[in-house]
Amino acid sequence: EAQVTQNPRYLITVTGKKLTVTCSQNMNHEYMSWYRQDPGLGLRQIYYSMNVEVTDKGDVPEGYKVSRKEKRNFPLILESPSPNQTSLYFCASSDRGNYGYTFGSGTRLTVV
Amino acid sequence: SQQGEEDPQALSIQEGENATMNCSYKTSINNLQWYRQNSGRGLVHLILIRSNEREKHSGRLRVTLDTSKKSSSLLITASRAADTASYFCATASGYSTLTFGKGTMLLVSP
Repeated sequence: EAQVTQNPRYLITVTGKKLTVTCSQNMNHEYMSWYRQDPGLGLRQIYYSMNVEVTDKGDVPEGYKVSRKEKRNFPLILESPSPNQTSLYFCASSDRGNYGYTFGSGTRLTVV
Repeated sequence: SQQGEEDPQALSIQEGENATMNCSYKTSINNLQWYRQNSGRGLVHLILIRSNEREKHSGRLRVTLDTSKKSSSLLITASRAADTASYFCATASGYSTLTFGKGTMLLVSP
């Protein structure tokens, strides 16, 4: 089944403890992106990648890192999480840039 | 930066009625897309309309685009309870960046 898989689905962590949210797609898509969704703010793009080793900042990149060493994987790294990074995170991929993204099921992160 | 803004924020209708949601945006676009999200789950791509198109259909969905007014509408005909969800418009201006609005919550009552 064609899909974008994120792990974990739920995560509660403490301030300052490094964490990684994994994202993997099995559709051989070149484009991948991370979004965060917050009440009243909608979805905002954190980082995106157009291909292996090519990444760029979205609208809210502060406090996040990404890497794209393989085409299928696009992990999101929080080096020192803070409570304002508590949010619902989505990974998405596309084979044709801005022509329709497939989304993962989301990761609900709580930083205490 | 927020590009699309949906209107209304919430919409409540009965099964069988039509639901219309609107989206306005600020800058020129390559295409505009609509997505559905069921209660905190991942978004599902519904339909895409290019900047040189005016209307597009997919099943019970009809999307219009007016680039002169920088606005789009999504019409869902003969709504069903299963259509209950949040609907987002997303605008594509560059090649890789998709900017989402805040969404319209649609409730379809049996």
